[in-house]
Amino acid sequence: AQTVTQSQPEMSVQEAETVTLSCTYDTSESNYYLFWYKQPPSRQMILVIRQEAYKQQNATENRFSVNFQKAAKSFSLKISDSQLGDTAMYFCAFISGDNRKLIWGLGTSLAVNP
Amino acid sequence: NAGVTQTPKFQVLKTGQSMTLQCAQDMNHEYMSWYRQDPGMGLRLIHYSVGAGITDQGEVPNGYNVSRSTTEDFPLRLLSAAPSQTSVYFCASSYSPRGHYEQYFGPGTRLTVT
Repeated sequence: AQTVTQSQPEMSVQEAETVTLSCTYDTSESNYYLFWYKQPPSRQMILVIRQEAYKQQNATENRFSVNFQKAAKSFSLKISDSQLGDTAMYFCAFISGDNRKLIWGLGTSLAVNP
Repeated sequence: NAGVTQTPKFQVLKTGQSMTLQCAQDMNHEYMSWYRQDPGMGLRLIHYSVGAGITDQGEVPNGYNVSRSTTEDFPLRLLSAAPSQTSVYFCASSYSPRGHYEQYFGPGTRLTVT
């Protein structure tokens, strides 16, 4: 079975510092896609970043970047220059090439402190 | 564009009652899905659809029905509500019929079954 594990239920970081959220996944597929979504207190789910497994280059979106280690099945999210608005639940998610079902981790609650 | 809309935002049901959660999108997306979000459980896929007339089960389909008569609408029916169905329900849509790209989420419906 395909699974996604986020080992850090809660994290905190000081404003302007850098934080890394961990995600590991389990699959026997070679073609898949990985996502990080953010859910602030408003409850709205927002895509942060997306990675295609066949691309070796790590995805980046402004202050957000990933460290994608395919052999280790690891997909961590780095947030640089943390801002108060980054306070949210962060979910890692996985979908394989043919499955069509997005599998989610349980989330990491991130608090950015002033 | 309104994006993905869901109605109602809040609902209280008695055990055994039935109801339909509405979901609509105006982005001409082929892929639509329903999730439930429970504390400590992350998001779990209930049903999904890859186009009008095509639906399939997700991880937790029991107690829920869906249909997709148009590209725009994807209602979720609770046949006989149970307290275990108390949850927040999210509808999402994606450009890719395989769900490989960003999923756009509605604002959610908070359902309480007493």
